[in-house]
Amino acid sequence: EVQLLESGGGLVQPGGSLRLSCAASGFTFSNYAMSWVRQAPGKGLEWVSTIRGGGDSTYYADSVKGRFTISRDNSKNTLYLQMNSLRAEDTAVYYCAKNRGSGSYPYWYFDLWARGTLVTVSS
Amino acid sequence: QSVLTQPPSVSGAPGQRVTISCTGSSSNIGAGYDVHWYQQLPGTAPKLLIYVNSNRPSGVPDRFSGSKSGTSASLAITGLQAEDEADYYCQSYDSTLSGYVFGTGTKVTFL
Repeated sequence: EVQLLESGGGLVQPGGSLRLSCAASGFTFSNYAMSWVRQAPGKGLEWVSTIRGGGDSTYYADSVKGRFTISRDNSKNTLYLQMNSLRAEDTAVYYCAKNRGSGSYPYWYFDLWARGTLVTVSS
Repeated sequence: QSVLTQPPSVSGAPGQRVTISCTGSSSNIGAGYDVHWYQQLPGTAPKLLIYVNSNRPSGVPDRFSGSKSGTSASLAITGLQAEDEADYYCQSYDSTLSGYVFGTGTKVTFL
């Protein structure tokens, strides 16, 4: 079964750090770009970051650039999001998503989503 | 503030046809970037509904259809059913923002 399973969410103080993980199964992980998308409470979806299958290229939303780092370990079929200098406005459910599409970035879409993990930034 | 604008809500009677618009600009939909649609049932993760403007993934009922023209796109639901009550989001790429963008979201409810 094709599946994505996140972990690592929780409560963190402003200025703190947190690392999210997303374990993939049921498909050849290294063949696909992967992304993080977040959703603040009661709000819409916001793209956060994308990484190519080989991990050689990464892309970030301006709102997280310089604070968040996306990475992957293809030997472990796992995607990561290192979040530093966290702010209250980073509070959201973070979704790990698999990318698909013909061609290269940015001609991709999100064809498989994990259940989401809640990150709360508060003192 | 999203660059893709959707109506906050649309409603219809069971069996009726409803449409959701997604209005962009020359830096996203109008630049030729594809539009994709996602359905988010209450309390769950989004699910891919339509990809590359008008294609349905396996398992998505054919009462869902998508189209794109100029700087806008539309999602149509024909024969509205109870399980279609959800939030719907369009998504594309914006060359000015250099990133993926989602629409503001539309809640579909029964009259």
